[in-house]
Amino acid sequence: SYELTQPPSMSVSPGQTASITCSGDKLGDKYACWYQQKPGQSPVLVIYQDTKRPSGIPERFSGSNSGNTATLTISGTQAMDEADYYCQAWDSSSAIFGGGTRLTIL
Amino acid sequence: QVTLRESGPALVRPTQTLTLTCTFSGFSLTTSGMCVSWIRQPPGKALEWLARIDWDDDKYYNTSLKTRLTISKDTSKNQVVLTMTNMEPVDTATYYCARTTGLLAAALRFDPWGQGTLVTVSS
Repeated sequence: SYELTQPPSMSVSPGQTASITCSGDKLGDKYACWYQQKPGQSPVLVIYQDTKRPSGIPERFSGSNSGNTATLTISGTQAMDEADYYCQAWDSSSAIFGGGTRLTIL
Repeated sequence: QVTLRESGPALVRPTQTLTLTCTFSGFSLTTSGMCVSWIRQPPGKALEWLARIDWDDDKYYNTSLKTRLTISKDTSKNQVVLTMTNMEPVDTATYYCARTTGLLAAALRFDPWGQGTLVTVSS
């Protein structure tokens, strides 16, 4: 079965750039989405179709997808960006989620 | 404004069948390309997709749970129902429904999500 792998955690200082990776076999041939989940809240879509931002999502969120890796980049991170982030793709009509990355803003 | 709300029992006994209802507004499941999915999240763990139903009544299931899941829709009530049989303690999780849309089946996205409902499986 298809798997998506994320680093369990990472930390950045406010104002720095955070790059969260998601790895899967030929992931670049699929479309990746990214979801942000803050404690006690439902997930929120922040990136879809590899690079697109839904309305209301700040421009500091961007995405890329090539080869075996999709990347969520948060430029100029803010304290409010501290959350769990999940990547997601479709494989054989099933949605697959990564294990999630906890982003800590130090 | 698109909203979804999950409802169902907070406590289920082992071996029982769970029935969850997703009531939505702001869109119609009769619209071409519109879908609704169920996703769950055990406490402190990652998200797991369960099932999806499309505007044309096509249905898709998590292959690992397929034998236990049934998804259906009532377009007149704007509701999607998920049943899961033979519940076990490991099925304890917050269950979410989410509108699922996209130009391509391979590019579907979950947006927005409901608030989720915590289901505990215990005797």
